[in-house]
Amino acid sequence: GAVVSQHPSWVICKSGTSVKIECRSLDFQATTMFWYRQFPKQSLMLMATSNEGSKATYEQGVEKDKFLINHASLTLSTLTVTSAHPEDSSFYICSAGEGANYGYTFGSGTRLTVV
Amino acid sequence: GQQVMQIPQYQHVQEGEDFTTYCNSSTTLSNIQWYKQRPGGHPVFLIQLVKSGEVKKQKRLTFQFGEAKKNSSLHITATQTTDVGTYFCAGPGGGADGLTFGKGTHLIIQP
Repeated sequence: GAVVSQHPSWVICKSGTSVKIECRSLDFQATTMFWYRQFPKQSLMLMATSNEGSKATYEQGVEKDKFLINHASLTLSTLTVTSAHPEDSSFYICSAGEGANYGYTFGSGTRLTVV
Repeated sequence: GQQVMQIPQYQHVQEGEDFTTYCNSSTTLSNIQWYKQRPGGHPVFLIQLVKSGEVKKQKRLTFQFGEAKKNSSLHITATQTTDVGTYFCAGPGGGADGLTFGKGTHLIIQP
């Protein structure tokens, strides 16, 4: 089945620094990937849709200059949290799929802690 | 925007008891998907329902899609400790094919 690899699994960074998270589709090509954010014991909130070769589409309320998304190839999307602050601490998860009818495969997630 | 409500938020059951979680949408859904997330893990796709009134089974799990395609349910028969986790329903919404998730139901099983 489809495999989505996400790195790093966890990261601790200092306030004001930037963090890059990678999401790779290992055995299929993904023109579209999705980035979600999840707070403890809460649901997943869609942040943005990453489009290969074009600009990402951000959900309402998500700052595009804060969460930079790059989808430079059919197998890789990156999310960069810029000038991170403690309130950005969260679980970030990417997903991709082989089609809307087949469900989506999620990466293992990245737990970001900003100190 | 589209909202997907899910209840209950938490469900405690004794091992061997049945469990059901319910999902309700404010709008008609073209399809609904169900995911399971184990503690500390990531969501794993379980199933997608597309047709009105559809019922699908996976061993002890039964998934239903309402006639009006606005509600869905997941029923687990005779729960086991391996069923522990959070079950999310999700409908289309946001972005190209991005998903709108329900709040999830946390299933806690007491042996």
